[in-house]
This record gives sequence, structure tokens and C-alpha cells, in this order.
Amino acid sequence: DTAVSQTPKYLVTQMGNDKSIKCEQNLGHDTMYWYKQDSKKFLKIMFSYNNKELIINETVPNRFSPKSPDKAHLNLHINSLELGDSAVYFCASSPGTGDTEAFFGQGTRLTVV
Amino acid sequence: SQQGEEDPQALSIQEGENATMNCSYKTSINNLQWYRQNSGRGLVHLILIRSNEREKHSGRLRVTLDTSKKSSSLLITASRAADTASYFCASPHQGGKLIFGQGTELSVKP
Repeated sequence: DTAVSQTPKYLVTQMGNDKSIKCEQNLGHDTMYWYKQDSKKFLKIMFSYNNKELIINETVPNRFSPKSPDKAHLNLHINSLELGDSAVYFCASSPGTGDTEAFFGQGTRLTVV
Repeated sequence: SQQGEEDPQALSIQEGENATMNCSYKTSINNLQWYRQNSGRGLVHLILIRSNEREKHSGRLRVTLDTSKKSSSLLITASRAADTASYFCASPHQGGKLIFGQGTELSVKP
């Protein structure tokens, strides 16, 4: 069983489009995250939710809007996609807020053309 | 700013050799974590060392933590081709966000 699953795995889209990435975890964790990994493999946190409440928003453009319908799901919607949004986006979850390991999804490779 | 810096950025060794990666961080932490990322895959947690621990082992992995120098090292003994991956250190901060180092790309040649 996949612990943290995100879809789609690959996403190719044109500039200006709106797209969503979905994430689900079946671990019963309270905290979920979105990370962005650039072409140099630098990983940066974007958002963190704890029990459906936003707790971290790391100066991400407001074209990015996370939504957590329940604590097992954290989706990422991106409006008006730009070339610079091309990256790999990772969803992750953890039981608490930092004292334990995080579990990552397989990533969504977003390519904006 | 990026919390962790890793050294070296890339490391190439032969199977059977040991691989050592270092991580430095800037602010106080209560634990430091190491992750592995295989090409095209997500990150997998390897080991967590708490601030009151100096050394921890897990199979062929050995992690040390020196809080006075704000540094950690990951040693992989008797490396295998399957250990080829990127390795990241990470430390948790307010709200649980993990701040990652820039990673070390390890290549183990058969």
C-alpha cells in the first residue's frame, strides 16, 4: 500500500493554464506538506497543514493555493502557470510537527511550456 | 536562507568503499535527519539523531552529530551500487517544516 500518493506523476501544460496536484496519505498523520524541488535538487517547503489548518506558508506566490478537505488529503492548485513553476513537487506527511520523520510521495514533475 | 549545507556536493566511489557525507547547519536543532533520494523518486527517511545523541547506527549507516560545531556526518560502510542516490540532511523548524541541505550525489561504481 502506498503511504503517500500524489497524482499525477507527470504534468505538462502551457503557460497561463491552471492545474491541480492531488495528495493523499493513509498513515493517519496529522501534518502534511508541499515541497518544491528545483532543477538543482534544492528542496524548499511551500506549505504545511496540521489537522486541515494552514500552519506554514513560505512566501509562495498566491497563484499557489493549497486545499485540505480532510487531514488525509492536501491538494495543490496552481493558477496562471509560469515557466518558472517547472519543478518537481513533493507531498509529505508526518505524525506531528517536526520531531519525527516525514514520509514523501513520489513527486509530480511539472513542466510548463 | 538555506539551513543546511552539505559537503561534498558529489562523491564517486567503488563498491565496497566507505562513503562519508557532511552536513552543517546554522541554528539550534532538536534533531537532524538524513534522507535518500533515488533518481526520479521521492525522499526516503534513513535515520534521525536527536540533539542529545552523538552517534547513531542503522545497518551500514552511521550518523554523528556535533552540536558544538553544528555539524553532522553520514557514513555508509561497504557501499553497494544500489546506494547510488542523492543524500540530504534536514532539520525541523517551527511548525515542523524541514529545512534541507543541498544534498550530496553519491555514485557507487560496481
